[in-house]
Order: sequence, then C-alpha cells, then structure tokens
Amino acid sequence: KAGVTQTPRYLIKTRGQQVTLSCSPISGHRSVSWYQQTPGQGLQFLFEYFSETQRNKGNFPGRFSGRQFSNSRSEMNVSTLELGDSALYLCASSLGFSADTQYFGPGTRLTVL
Amino acid sequence: AQTVTQSQPEMSVQEAETVTLSCTYDTSESDYYLFWYKQPPSRQMILVIRQEAYKQQNATENRFSVNFQKAAKSFSLKISDSQLGDAAMYFCASINTGTASKLTFGTGTRLQVTL
Repeated sequence: KAGVTQTPRYLIKTRGQQVTLSCSPISGHRSVSWYQQTPGQGLQFLFEYFSETQRNKGNFPGRFSGRQFSNSRSEMNVSTLELGDSALYLCASSLGFSADTQYFGPGTRLTVL
Repeated sequence: AQTVTQSQPEMSVQEAETVTLSCTYDTSESDYYLFWYKQPPSRQMILVIRQEAYKQQNATENRFSVNFQKAAKSFSLKISDSQLGDAAMYFCASINTGTASKLTFGTGTRLQVTL
C-alpha cells in the first residue's frame, strides 16, 4: 500500500497570506490528524477528521482550519499567516477506531517570512 | 490532561551496543496506548513500537523492546545491537482511547550512533 502523502513538501509565504496544505491518507484509512512541529513547542495536535467531520481539536486559534473530503483526503488551511506559524506540518492517517496506530506522512515545511 | 516526559535530550551509543531511552507519562485514564516513534533526518515519523496499557507483556519488535512499568508510569525503549541507521530523534507518545486520534508527544531524545 502507498503511504501517507503530503503536498507540497516545502512552502514559503509572507506574513498575512494564507496557505493550504494537502494530505492523502493510506487507502482505507478514514481518519486524518494534523500536527504542528516546531523547535520551541515540539509536536502539537491540531485537529482530526473522520468521515468528513472534525472529531477532535487541539488548542490552536481559529486561523487554523481543515476539512476532509469523501475520499478521506484532507486539507489544512492557515489564514493570516504569522512568523510563528513557520513549522513542519505533519499529517497522520489511521483506520479511525479508538487509539489506532497513526501513520505519518513526510510533512510540509512551511516558512513564513 | 496527558503529559509525556523524556528527560534525555541526547543519547549516544556505539554500534552493536544496547541503549535505553527513558519516558514517563501521566494520565488519569485507565485505558490508553503508548508508542515510540522515530524521526530520522528526513523528518518522516516512523512507528517503532506500540504498547497497549491493558497488556502486561512488554512489546517487542525485532531489536526494539519496551519496559512498561504501569504503576510507575514508565515506558522505556531498549534498542539492541544498535545500527548506524538507528540514529534519529525518538519520540515517546501516548493516546487515551477516549480522545480518538490525539497523540501527546514527549520532547524527544536525539540518538547518536558511533562506530
């Protein structure tokens, strides 16, 4: 089976812009979770989508949003970018049952200038 | 709330030797799972091993094994016969069954493997 894919792999944006990141899960997986990784804050949970519904949400401002499509692909959007949004954004997919193992994609490196 | 603590920012091991990475966690839940993930320089997070809290038997995957001490809330990872390819950041993580897919990660331990 193909693994989790994320596009794009690298992005450079300027403050105030918005960005959309994409994640395609492993075939058959219905849950997609997003994480932000920074040197200062480490790995933090953003949100999780299951069957097109947000099932869980971390402690991030409303500028961070996401959605999931009927084929389980997910997008994450960040509006009004700030310098502090520079990070590695990881998505992970799982079958969606409680505490299933999550399999991660290669990440999208976002740099905000 | 869950917390995961990794007190060793960096560890070093010689090739073919054994190393143990420490992790402690705190949760008020009775049903949870614990994981070790490896993040090499490519930045892709790779699952190393998984432990169900209700299982007393320690999980093992080839050269990787855990020492799960539930009462002490300790979950250490032992890597035997270390290889150069084991060099990476290692993250301990936990998840409560009640919070679906929300993994809580520790701060990571950077493992160096020397010749």
